[in-house]
Amino acid sequence: GQNIDQPTEMTATEGAIVQINCTYQTSGFNGLFWYQQHAGEAPTFLSYNVLDGLEEKGRFSSFLSRSKGYSYLLLKELQMKDSASYLCAVGGAGGFKTIFGAGTRLFVKA
Amino acid sequence: SQTIHQWPATLVQPVGSPLSLECTVEGTSNPNLYWYRQAAGRGLQLLFYSVGIGQISSEVPQNLSASRPQDRQFILSSKKLLLSDSGFYLCAWKAGTNTEAFFGQGTRLTVV
Repeated sequence: GQNIDQPTEMTATEGAIVQINCTYQTSGFNGLFWYQQHAGEAPTFLSYNVLDGLEEKGRFSSFLSRSKGYSYLLLKELQMKDSASYLCAVGGAGGFKTIFGAGTRLFVKA
Repeated sequence: SQTIHQWPATLVQPVGSPLSLECTVEGTSNPNLYWYRQAAGRGLQLLFYSVGIGQISSEVPQNLSASRPQDRQFILSSKKLLLSDSGFYLCAWKAGTNTEAFFGQGTRLTVV
């Protein structure tokens, strides 16, 4: 079966660091994606991990452990504009399909 | 550069009416195309995907259908809408298998 779990909501303070966790159990694995989605808008791509380890891209970093079925998205120096939903997604068997988690709503407060 | 167009942005339709949502991609050839639906406060549910003209894979049994009449055109249809079809519909394309998806701006459908 396919199961992707991530917290429903998180709150953090402007300027702080926040880590959004994601665990997955899927039939087939072709990489893990993180997307950002502001309310009422389409998701936009943030990061892609296919090998274990940390990928850093500016203020955002993403980590993957395939053996543990675990990933996290790390956001540094939080800004108010980072308030959004963050979707964890797994590339399924064959790589054609991307299965999305329900998303984590992040609220950044002043 | 590649762009994806999806329309309309919002749609209010009565129960039992037909539906046609269109999505087109520019600047790329032979993309993988996808239709997702997102209920309020929920994740994206994959409805259909297509790897080529006339090739449609359905993920969820329902009263929706999809067609790909041209390489860069993907259409989502229904003959008779249900209240439960309300949601945010997103079209997306991918260049290959292990690549990110690029989304259209979405259509917010309300069935009344």
